[in-house]
Amino acid sequence: EIVLTQSPATLSLSPGERATLSCTASQTIHTYLAWYQQRPGQAPRLLIYDASNRATGIPDRFSGSGSGADFTLTINNLEADDFAIYYCQQMLTWPYNFGPGTKVETK
Amino acid sequence: QVQLQESGPGLVKPSGTLSLTCSVSGDSLSSGHWWTWVRQPPGKGLECIGEINHSEITTYSPSLESRLTISLDKSKNQLFLKLTSVTAADTAVYFCARNFCTTSNCPEGFDSWSRGTLVTVSS
Repeated sequence: EIVLTQSPATLSLSPGERATLSCTASQTIHTYLAWYQQRPGQAPRLLIYDASNRATGIPDRFSGSGSGADFTLTINNLEADDFAIYYCQQMLTWPYNFGPGTKVETK
Repeated sequence: QVQLQESGPGLVKPSGTLSLTCSVSGDSLSSGHWWTWVRQPPGKGLECIGEINHSEITTYSPSLESRLTISLDKSKNQLFLKLTSVTAADTAVYFCARNFCTTSNCPEGFDSWSRGTLVTVSS
């Protein structure tokens, strides 16, 4: 199985700042990577698929990059609703494992 | 807009069977996407447990394969999960989700989710 690690585990930032989240796969997954946001008590929401494509309705403050085994999610100009947990997920092979998550919290 | 909604018991006894139904609207289970079950133990991360496509091809988590059955009823546009011999370790919020396909790649990711239902395994 492909294992994903995410760093940092927690990111403390203020509204208006930029968040940079990392995801590393245990082997190359090309660009088969998705990013999700999960707010407390809610289902995850797809943000990015295929490493860099924004899902429908996702603002351009969210961007994804990377290929191979190293990926980044960048959130510009953090807004109040952005403070949540972010998960990456590999979509190369089943099971489509998720990373452990990065919590973006208010500083 | 695709909407998914689960239904089923919120409490199951140890060694019993966990059964959930996911009703889908706004898309057909006969479409070219995959339909997935995901679970999240309280305070923990996300786990894909199994999925099915329009041809009723299924894939299951290796750790659950011996206890898990996923099926669908196209006429009712419903997706089903059955997990047998449950233990406290199966306590989780269970989600159903659409794993969508594009012309470039299939599948791409989970673009529509149910709200999730907490299933507790306890006597």
